[in-house]
Amino acid sequence: AQTVTQSQPEMSVQEAETVTLSCTYDTSESDYYLFWYKQPPSRQMILVIRQEAYKQQNATENRFSVNFQKAAKSFSLKISDSQLGDAAMYFCAYRTYYGNKLVFGAGTILRVKS
Amino acid sequence: EAQVTQNPRYLITVTGKKLTVTCSQNMNHEYMSWYRQDPGLGLRQIYYSMNVEVTDKGDVPEGYKVSRKEKRNFPLILESPSPNQTSLYFCASSYGTDTQYFGPGTRLTVL
Repeated sequence: AQTVTQSQPEMSVQEAETVTLSCTYDTSESDYYLFWYKQPPSRQMILVIRQEAYKQQNATENRFSVNFQKAAKSFSLKISDSQLGDAAMYFCAYRTYYGNKLVFGAGTILRVKS
Repeated sequence: EAQVTQNPRYLITVTGKKLTVTCSQNMNHEYMSWYRQDPGLGLRQIYYSMNVEVTDKGDVPEGYKVSRKEKRNFPLILESPSPNQTSLYFCASSYGTDTQYFGPGTRLTVL
């Protein structure tokens, strides 16, 4: 069974600085999707970024980018120019290419200091 | 507006009293899922559905039922709730196996 590990329960970053959240996963599949979701205090699950495993190029969405290392099974999220609105719980998630289940990590709480 | 809706958003109930949490999506998605979120465990899948009348168990199905009579609706039923089902519940939908979109969540407390 696939597993997703987020080893940082909490992280802090100063406003305008850069922070990297770590995620590792375990799978025997070669094709799959990886996601980062943001959960602010409102509890809504918001998609931040998506990566398809067969694409070698790292996904980017404005200030958010990933470092996808397929051989190492690592999928870290970099947030540049951090803003107060980035404060939230961040979940890393894995999905098999043909499956309907997201496997989530335990989450990382990100605090942004002004 | 494309969205997944859930009702109720908050519910406090007592052990053994049957309840239903509704989920509806307006994106014509085939896939729908239910997850529960517990501290330190992330989100875990309860049930999923690949289309009308097609449902299957996820990782933590015990104590839950679902039905998919219409494409847009996927209610979660707790026939005899227990305190260990106190949790935050999310419904999600997707087109095919692509990105899942989540509802706003339902906070359930079972006393």
